[in-house]
Amino acid sequence: DVKVTQSSRYLVKRTGEKVFLECVQDMDHENMFWYRQDPGLGLRLIYFSYDVKMKEKGDIPEGYSVSREKKERFSLILESASTNQTSMYLCASSRVGPTYNEQFFGPGTRLTVL
Amino acid sequence: ILNVEQSPQSLHVQEGDSTNFTCSFPSSNFYALHWYRWETAKSPEALFVMTLNGDEKKKGRISATLNTKEGYSYLYIKGSQPEDSATYLCASDNTNAGKSTFGDGTTLTVKP
Repeated sequence: DVKVTQSSRYLVKRTGEKVFLECVQDMDHENMFWYRQDPGLGLRLIYFSYDVKMKEKGDIPEGYSVSREKKERFSLILESASTNQTSMYLCASSRVGPTYNEQFFGPGTRLTVL
Repeated sequence: ILNVEQSPQSLHVQEGDSTNFTCSFPSSNFYALHWYRWETAKSPEALFVMTLNGDEKKKGRISATLNTKEGYSYLYIKGSQPEDSATYLCASDNTNAGKSTFGDGTTLTVKP
């Protein structure tokens, strides 16, 4: 059974703290993604990685950075958490071609920044 | 940015009703269209991927169609059941890189 896991389901942090969200997949997928989901706004892509050490900014990268040192692990870093980063964060992974590959999602981390 | 739009934003139906929602996407540089179902407290899960104009896919009571020339896809649910209550997301790919642009979703609530 394919799996994407995230380090925490719920997280509460204070403004200004450095926050790490970890994601691990066991499917040997090349692509990994970080999204945030806010009410009425669907899934918005923060960062995308298509290989180890490779990353690409998504639609809303401001205030975030990422790290992918190993193929199976993709970390999202909030250098200095702010209240407007309170959200649900979803990690996903997918294969690259030749078939039309779906994304597999983790359970999400609900982050509250106080 | 590739804009993907879904309508309606939310829908409330009675058990047994049939329903449908729309996903519209830019028709230029189209590669694939995905539908996902996202139930509360769970992860989004893939329902269908469609690539060719005129594609139709079916899984049980749920089916989907694709029109790549005009840039839309419909998702149909026949005889809705309470367990169909979820947010339905569509996502469009414009390359084979595996990167999708998601719509905001349609949230379906089926009342017993």
